[in-house]
Amino acid sequence: DGGITQSPKYLFRKEGQNVTLSCEQNLNHDAMYWYRQDPGQGLRLIYYSQIVNDFQKGDIAEGYSVSREKKESFPLTVTSAQKNPTAFYLCASSPTGTGSYTQYFGPGTRLTVL
Amino acid sequence: QKEVEQDPGPLSVPEGAIVSLNCTYSNSAFQYFMWYRQYSRKGPELLMYTYSSGNKEDGRFTAQVDKSSKYISLFIRDSQPSDSATYLCAMSFFGNQGGKLIFGQGTELSVKP
Repeated sequence: DGGITQSPKYLFRKEGQNVTLSCEQNLNHDAMYWYRQDPGQGLRLIYYSQIVNDFQKGDIAEGYSVSREKKESFPLTVTSAQKNPTAFYLCASSPTGTGSYTQYFGPGTRLTVL
Repeated sequence: QKEVEQDPGPLSVPEGAIVSLNCTYSNSAFQYFMWYRQYSRKGPELLMYTYSSGNKEDGRFTAQVDKSSKYISLFIRDSQPSDSATYLCAMSFFGNQGGKLIFGQGTELSVKP
């Protein structure tokens, strides 16, 4: 059963703590993405990776970090430097080549800072 | 001005109505156009994908792209309560930052039985 999994579904963090959100895919997709979604706004790109061991900043990378050590995995760390981290975080993946402009999303992680 | 504009709604219609959802954009380089459906507290799911101009139909859903007007639409025929969700348009162009998609804000649709 192919797809993208994100964990945990809900995450609570105290101010000043770093937290890591997990994203795993078994679709054999080369590209992976992290988005942030806030109420009334579209999705905003945080980081993306087109290949293992390489990643690029998106539009709102400040306060976040990522790694891409395996093709299937693209974890996102929300650091204490992120001033307003409470949001819904979505991971997506995409094949490269023809049709690669379609992205497939995981179920999301809702992060709340207490 | 945002690159992609979408009326956030909310939009409320009776069951069986024809729904029209729209997005306008400013970047003439966009070539790939998508519509995603997002149920509350879930990840978006791809509904329709269109390359360049024209129409595409899939069951009760029709996607239209008018590149001359920089305008895309999604029509839902015979709308059902199960269509109640937020609909996001998204678009991209060849070579755009590894396939980066630009999203509209999303339109919240409610179909009343």
